[in-house]
Amino acid sequence: DIQMTQSPSSLSASVGDRVTITCQASQDISNYLNWYQQKPGKAPKLLIYDASNLETGVPSRFSGSGSGTHFTFTISSLQPEDIATYYCQQYDNVVPYTFGQGTKLDIK
Amino acid sequence: QVQLQQWGAGLLKPSETLSLTCAVYGGSFSAYYWGWIRQPPGKGLEWIGEVNHSGSTNYNPSLKSRVTISVDTSKSQFFLKLSSVTAADTAVYYCASSRGYSGTWYYRFDHWGQGSLVTVSA
Repeated sequence: DIQMTQSPSSLSASVGDRVTITCQASQDISNYLNWYQQKPGKAPKLLIYDASNLETGVPSRFSGSGSGTHFTFTISSLQPEDIATYYCQQYDNVVPYTFGQGTKLDIK
Repeated sequence: QVQLQQWGAGLLKPSETLSLTCAVYGGSFSAYYWGWIRQPPGKGLEWIGEVNHSGSTNYNPSLKSRVTISVDTSKSQFFLKLSSVTAADTAVYYCASSRGYSGTWYYRFDHWGQGSLVTVSA
């Protein structure tokens, strides 16, 4: 299985800060990577698909980049409602799909 | 607008079989693969498996020996059965669309159920 390693595992930032999360794949996965936001007690929500495409309805302060083994997720200006845990997920070779371990983001 | 609603037993004893149902409302049932993902308390997400409208399945190798995912297209429902559960299977279980077809296949979990907490305890 392809292993996904996210960093950091937790992060504190101030409102208005630029926040960056990275995801490293154990092998080349091209751009076959998605990013999700999960708030406490809720199902995950798709934010970014195919590494850099913004899902419909998602604010433009969220963005993604990368290909191969190294990927980056960015919030350009952190808002209070962005407090959540963020997960990357790969789908190279289709199955099994695997997720990163998550990055918990809170307000400083 | 695709919506998923799930239900099933929330408390099981060790060795019993977990059974969950997910109903799909809206959209084209045959245009997606439908899957299950679980999340142990305080931990990350684990993909369990998926099924399409014709019953073709893919499973996570780590759970394959105990998992059955099936479908009833007449009701736009799909099902999860996990046998011989232990405390390690305690988790919130989510149903979700795992891939969709819009001229070509795309791969992302873009529609989710509300989640079902399943606790395994003697």
